[in-house]
Amino acid sequence: GAVVSQHPSRVICKSGTSVKIECRSLDFQATTMFWYRQFPKQSLMLMATSNEGSKATYEQGVEKDKFLINHASLTLSTLTVTSAHPEDSSFYICSARSHDSAQSWAYGYTFGSGTRLTVV
Amino acid sequence: AQKITQTQPGMFVQEKEAVTLDCTYDTSDPSYGLFWYKQPSSGEMIFLIYQGSYDQQNATEGRYSLNFQKARKSANLVISASQLGDSAMYFCAMREVNTGNQFYFGTGTSLTVIP
Repeated sequence: GAVVSQHPSRVICKSGTSVKIECRSLDFQATTMFWYRQFPKQSLMLMATSNEGSKATYEQGVEKDKFLINHASLTLSTLTVTSAHPEDSSFYICSARSHDSAQSWAYGYTFGSGTRLTVV
Repeated sequence: AQKITQTQPGMFVQEKEAVTLDCTYDTSDPSYGLFWYKQPSSGEMIFLIYQGSYDQQNATEGRYSLNFQKARKSANLVISASQLGDSAMYFCAMREVNTGNQFYFGTGTSLTVIP
C-alpha cells in the first residue's frame, strides 16, 4: 500500500533555531499534502494544505511566515518551523493524497508517522 | 459547533471482548465520509474503516465494523474480540464533499485492553 515516510521522528532544538520536517511519498505521487499539529491528548488540527508546485493554503490562525511549507515535487513536502519557541513544541504529522487512487476521496489518504518536536 | 464529537476520553475492555467507541457528527452536506483511525503511542495514524454517507450497509473491515445511524448522525466503531495490540487512541473523522479535502477529527478515545 501507499507509504509516507516522515523524518525526523523526534527532534529537540534550541529556542530560536529552525527545524525542517520532511514527508516523502514512497510509492505514489502525492498531489496534495496536508500538515497537521497535535498537542498532547488533543486532536489533530489542520495547519495547511499544499499542492505540488503552488503556494500552501494556511488555516486561520496559522502563521505562514513561521511554518514554511514547500511542496516542490510530487513526492516531497517539507515543513520548516522557523525561529522555534517552546510553544511550538508539538506533534506534527503529514498526510498525502494519492494522485491516481481510483477512490482517492475515500481511501487515498496516507499519514506519515509523525514528528515530535521539543523546543528547549 | 463541533463537527465530530467523541464523548469517551477513555475506555477499558477485557481481552477477547467487544467494545464500542462512540462518535457523533454534525454536517449539512448530504455527501460526506466518516473515518476511524487508530493512533498507537508511536504516533502514526492508521486507517481502520470508512463509511460513505450514501452507503446502505454498515462498513466492516475484519474485526472492525462501523455502526452507521444516519438519522442520529452517529458512526460508532465496534471492535470485536479485542486484542492487547488494540490499546491505542482512536479518532473519528469526517470529510465533506463540499469542503473538499479537509479532515475534521474528534478529540479521540483512549482504549486500553486488559489481559
